[in-house]
Amino acid sequence: DQQVKQNSPSLSVQEGRISILNCDYTNSMFDYFLWYKKYPAEGPTFLISISSIKDKNEDGRFTVFLNKSAKHLSLHIVPSQPGDSAVYFCAASPTQGGSEKLVFGKGTKLTVNP
Amino acid sequence: DTAVSQTPKYLVTQMGNDKSIKCEQNLGHDTMYWYKQDSKKFLKIMFSYNNKELIINETVPNRFSPKSPDKAHLNLHINSLELGDSAVYFCASSQTRQETQYFGPGTRLLVL
Repeated sequence: DQQVKQNSPSLSVQEGRISILNCDYTNSMFDYFLWYKKYPAEGPTFLISISSIKDKNEDGRFTVFLNKSAKHLSLHIVPSQPGDSAVYFCAASPTQGGSEKLVFGKGTKLTVNP
Repeated sequence: DTAVSQTPKYLVTQMGNDKSIKCEQNLGHDTMYWYKQDSKKFLKIMFSYNNKELIINETVPNRFSPKSPDKAHLNLHINSLELGDSAVYFCASSQTRQETQYFGPGTRLLVL
């Protein structure tokens, strides 16, 4: 039972354009969401998070949007850079205000072309 | 300085063997985790320790036994290895149970 779904296994964008990565979840108990970035042969690296009390969180080029009614979140990267090429994992937690028991999606491989 | 380190990075072994994977964090965190990323690329939590105490055990076969000798270390021992144990195992740590998790580089286990 996939509680966190990333339906696009891959995404390719041009340098300088916007990258939009999507994530859907089914468990209404999830109230804390994170994005992790992973390069080959490395562990996932925390990128940005959002609590269910917000609908947007921004950090530099990265913005996460949360639509609770649709159980959907997205990560926007603008402008995209070749160094952003990696696998992006969406994760969710049922822990109020925390991230103890993360449930991960399968990841979306982003390729940013120069 | 590596914040969360794992050894070995690669492990190839025969079915039926017993093996251990070590994890160390130098961040002073209280909570440590083990995750398994299987062939379908799902990253799933296996165990979580807080201050050396087991707090999460996600229906993992009892062939898997985590050991936390101190707050900075969480080792994973696997008995009687099976083909299905082949995966990438990630260790992670967080300041508390509620904080962001930081991952190690992973240990690639292949059981032949």
